[in-house]
Amino acid sequence: AQKITQTQPGMFVQEKEAVTLDCTYDTSDPSYGLFWYKQPSSGEMIFLIYQGSYDQQNATEGRYSLNFQKARKSANLVISASQLGDSAMYFCAMREVGSYIPTFGRGTSLIVHP
Amino acid sequence: SAVISQKPSRDICQRGTSLTIQCQVDSQVTMMFWYRQQPGQSLTLIATANQGSEATYESGFVIDKFPISRPNLTFSTLTVSNMSPEDSSIYLCSAFTGTSGTSYNEQFFGPGTRLTVL
Repeated sequence: AQKITQTQPGMFVQEKEAVTLDCTYDTSDPSYGLFWYKQPSSGEMIFLIYQGSYDQQNATEGRYSLNFQKARKSANLVISASQLGDSAMYFCAMREVGSYIPTFGRGTSLIVHP
Repeated sequence: SAVISQKPSRDICQRGTSLTIQCQVDSQVTMMFWYRQQPGQSLTLIATANQGSEATYESGFVIDKFPISRPNLTFSTLTVSNMSPEDSSIYLCSAFTGTSGTSYNEQFFGPGTRLTVL
C-alpha cells in the first residue's frame, strides 16, 4: 500500500499568491516525521520543512508552512507569496521511528506564473 | 549538517558501458544511500551503502547491475553496469547523520547525477 499520496500531479499559481500542495500518509506507527523537499530542474533535493508527529504546532519556515492534520493523516504544504523561483517539483516524505529510510510521494509539479 | 558532492554531475553514455558515480560527504555520517529517479517519477531507493561490507539492496536491484562501495564513513561509489536506455535517470546520493528516525536535520541529499544512456 502506498504510504505517501500526493494527488496533484501539477499545480499552477499566480506570482504572489498562496498555494497548497496536498499530502496524505498512512502509518500505524505513533511516532514519525513528515518532510517536504523541493526539486528544481537542476535535480538537487532541497529540504524545506519538517513536522514531527508529536509536535503540537504546525511547522513554519519562512514562506513555507505545514498544515498538519493528524487525525486526517494529512500534511499539506502551504507556500505563501509565491515567487517565480518556486517553480519546481515538490515531494512529501515520511520516516517512521526506527527507520533511516524515508518514503517519498510521487511529487507535485508547481508552476508559478508571472 | 552535511554537505554532499557528487561526480559527475551529468553524463551521456553509450549502451553497454558502465559509469561510476562518486559521492563525497564533508563529515562522517551514519549511513549513506543511493536513490534513482527516473524521468517524471519519484525517488526509488536502490541500496544502503554499508561501510566495509556489502551494500543492502532493495527489491528489484542487484549487486551485479549496481555495485556499490563504501570504503569509509565519508565516501561511496555507485556503478551503473552494462547500461541501457532504461537506466537514464537522476542518481542521488543521500546521507543520514543521526541516530534516530525522525529528526529533520539528519538526512541530506547530493546534487544528483543526471545520466542519459543512448
